[in-house]
Amino acid sequence: DAGITQSPRYKITETGRQVTLMCHQTWSHSYMFWYRQDLGHGLRLIYYSAAADITDKGEVPDGYVVSRSKTENFPLTLESATRSQTSVYFCASSDPRGQSRGEQYFGPGTRLTVT
Amino acid sequence: DQQVKQNSPSLSVQEGRISILNCDYTNSMFDYFLWYKKYPAEGPTFLISISSIKDKNEDGRFTVFLNKSAKHLSLHIVPSQPGDSAVYFCAASDQGAQKLVFGQGTRLTINP
Repeated sequence: DAGITQSPRYKITETGRQVTLMCHQTWSHSYMFWYRQDLGHGLRLIYYSAAADITDKGEVPDGYVVSRSKTENFPLTLESATRSQTSVYFCASSDPRGQSRGEQYFGPGTRLTVT
Repeated sequence: DQQVKQNSPSLSVQEGRISILNCDYTNSMFDYFLWYKKYPAEGPTFLISISSIKDKNEDGRFTVFLNKSAKHLSLHIVPSQPGDSAVYFCAASDQGAQKLVFGQGTRLTINP
């Protein structure tokens, strides 16, 4: 499918388990981002990547790991899930050569529940 | 420390009237601002943006105003339509950066 996709769309896991959320984009955008959306906090940046093999922390990186071996994929791993990581996770991508600086294209989100 | 704030969690407007959504920021290094719209169970989608060298940008029914001295921006929707019912996020970036800082969002409801 063209665009940006996330899998799974819904996930329930137990405290302490490792979970990986997948993100795939077909535009070859150099930048990719992971956000979490929580009531009262809006969208908070977890990690981002400017290119393959280049990643950097965002506002709330603790408890998360990312990798980017290929331009089109940007998986997010929760190494040992905690209840506070229950949230909706959005992946996004952007092209710095685009018309509007900072315009990001978002995936549909993954709703993660940690029990 | 919330650098981008949307102080109204919700707003209800009559169809056909003007909707005004507000956003304040604290970081004076921000030089580019964007508004995103989000429907339930979907990702946010880009709506309109403005550079700090401008004070107004218009796109159809949507206009964004920027008041740099007050560190305030607003999104005006005229006329409001039922399909405009969504959560609206403002976002900001600084110094040419691609990463954004988002506000908490405002839920807009357009009543028929």
